[in-house]
Amino acid sequence: AQSVTQLDSQVPVFEEAPVELRCNYSSSVSVYLFWYVQYPNQGLQLLLKYLSGSTLVKGINGFEAEFNKSQTSFHLRKPSVHISDTAEYFCAVSGLIQGAQKLVFGQGTRLTINP
Amino acid sequence: KAGVTQTPRYLIKTRGQQVTLSCSPISGHRSVSWYQQTPGQGLQFLFEYFSETQRNKGNFPGRFSGRQFSNSRSEMNVSTLELGDSALYLCASSLGTGTGFQETQYFGPGTRLLVL
Repeated sequence: AQSVTQLDSQVPVFEEAPVELRCNYSSSVSVYLFWYVQYPNQGLQLLLKYLSGSTLVKGINGFEAEFNKSQTSFHLRKPSVHISDTAEYFCAVSGLIQGAQKLVFGQGTRLTINP
Repeated sequence: KAGVTQTPRYLIKTRGQQVTLSCSPISGHRSVSWYQQTPGQGLQFLFEYFSETQRNKGNFPGRFSGRQFSNSRSEMNVSTLELGDSALYLCASSLGTGTGFQETQYFGPGTRLLVL
């Protein structure tokens, strides 16, 4: 079965500092990987996705993620965060399981930016 | 282009009742997916509809059902509500040309359901 583990439930950082949000997945099949952001009282917005090709994926708002197949990880990074990045971030994985596409989300990481 | 809209935004029901939530996708999008978000279980995939047919399904009981109309609008129904059904229900739309979830999904703001 597929599963996604976000290793940190909360990450506090200071403004303009770098940040890394960690995500590990387990799957016996090829998968697609995603990072979504959810601002307070809003739906989710796609930050970036990995389907194939280059393992370094660049997304919106200055975020990037690196797919590491050997470590089954897809960590999200940003070199310098802004107050407006305060939100909850979800890692997700999708793949074909028993003939149907499944989409599984991690539990989320709450990123808090302090001035 | 207008985004994904969901109605109603807030809903209060009592145990045993049923509820219907509505989702209007972005114009031209043919796939609509539904998700349940709770503090305890996080985000869970309910089902996906494409061209009026359920294409993918998560692991929810039969009390949770949905349908899609010819204009791609979708409804989700929950019968015999339980306290644990209190959640934020999100829908997302995409073009639907892929066979999986590789396309970008655009989420609505959600319907917050409270079951008393």
